[in-house]
Amino acid sequence: GENVEQHPSTLSVQEGDSAVIKCTYSDSASNYFPWYKQELGKRPQLIIDIRSNVGEKKDQRIAVTLNKTAKHFSLHITETQPEDSAVYFCAASRNNDMRFGAGTRLTVKP
Amino acid sequence: GAVVSQHPSWVICKSGTSVKIECRSLDFQATTMFWYRQFPKQSLMLMATSNEGSKATYEQGVEKDKFLINHASLTLSTLTVTSAHPEDSSFYICSAGGLAGDEQFFGPGTRLTVL
Repeated sequence: GENVEQHPSTLSVQEGDSAVIKCTYSDSASNYFPWYKQELGKRPQLIIDIRSNVGEKKDQRIAVTLNKTAKHFSLHITETQPEDSAVYFCAASRNNDMRFGAGTRLTVKP
Repeated sequence: GAVVSQHPSWVICKSGTSVKIECRSLDFQATTMFWYRQFPKQSLMLMATSNEGSKATYEQGVEKDKFLINHASLTLSTLTVTSAHPEDSSFYICSAGGLAGDEQFFGPGTRLTVL
């Protein structure tokens, strides 16, 4: 089955700096790669996603890149703000079978 | 986006009792619903996938007789934790799929505490 690895497990940045979280996946047939932000006790919130026919996608301060050959994808957050502090999960999915990375706790220091 | 509700949002029960959690898709028909469990400071682990009108498919290591899943309609799936024990205490999250691609819409989660 699919195995998703996520790094780093914790990330602390200064407000205004960029944050990068990386994930690798094992199943080359996976074709949907969402990123979720989860605050304590809340549901995962989709922040951006990318499909396998696209290499990069951007939405304001958030961007995701996908390298199908290497089977890795990354989340980039620019101009970080304290409210970006949360746990971020990557996921890889094929035919509705979605597997999550272990999560990254991002702390943005004011 | 599509809206998924979950009830109750939290429940405290005694060891040995059963607890039912409901997951509803409010504004779309979900052909597939998913149940996840999340322990503190850990990731979401898929427990089972259910399709309307058929038996759920459980992940390896998840006891189907302990975690009963019913997906009786395109808008409702239920998870019953039978004979709950303290180790079942966790955050249970459902999601609904069946729309474009593999996108899933998550419920708000249910915090289960077994005393």
